[in-house]
Amino acid sequence: DGGITQSPKYLFRKEGQNVTLSCEQNLNHDAMYWYRQDPGQGLRLIYYSQIVNDFQKGDIAEGYSVSREKKESFPLTVTSAQKNPTAFYLCASSWRVGGTEAFFGQGTRLTVV
Amino acid sequence: DQQVKQNSPSLSVQEGRISILNCDYTNSMFDYFLWYKKYPAEGPTFLISISSIKDKNEDGRFTVFLNKSAKHLSLHIVPSQPGDSAVYFCAASGRDNFNKFYFGSGTKLNVKP
Repeated sequence: DGGITQSPKYLFRKEGQNVTLSCEQNLNHDAMYWYRQDPGQGLRLIYYSQIVNDFQKGDIAEGYSVSREKKESFPLTVTSAQKNPTAFYLCASSWRVGGTEAFFGQGTRLTVV
Repeated sequence: DQQVKQNSPSLSVQEGRISILNCDYTNSMFDYFLWYKKYPAEGPTFLISISSIKDKNEDGRFTVFLNKSAKHLSLHIVPSQPGDSAVYFCAASGRDNFNKFYFGSGTKLNVKP
């Protein structure tokens, strides 16, 4: 079955530690995205990538880093510079054409204590 | 500044009646609009979309209406069912960057039996 896999579903980290969230897709999509959702708020774009070895900052990229070495994978690192890292993180992918929808993974709940 | 807005955080509807969820946008470059449904602690799932060349798109119980002059779209669910209870997000992408999706803050729909 094709889809997007985010792991783990729940993640706990101590303050000051970097943590990497995994996102893998087997839909053969070129574009991949990372969004963050906070309680009562919408989805805010952190980073997106339209093609391998290329990515762009979204609206809230500070304190995050990404890589896109393979088409299938788009890991997100939450660094210690991110002031409020506790949130629900969503990865998505889409075709690299207009008029298409993004498909989402199940999300990772990151809690920093 | 939020380019996609959902001004109603919540909506309560009786089973069998119509649910109308509203969304406004500010960017005139947006040409593709989507609605997603989301349950707690899960990723959003795509529901229905509409291109700016249309003013209506229908899929079963779900219809999306687009009013370009007012920069407004709405999602109608008829008849509403208890299983429709979820958070609904409006999203948009534009001609200038079709791989960048902007999301609203969501409307929580509660369909009462």
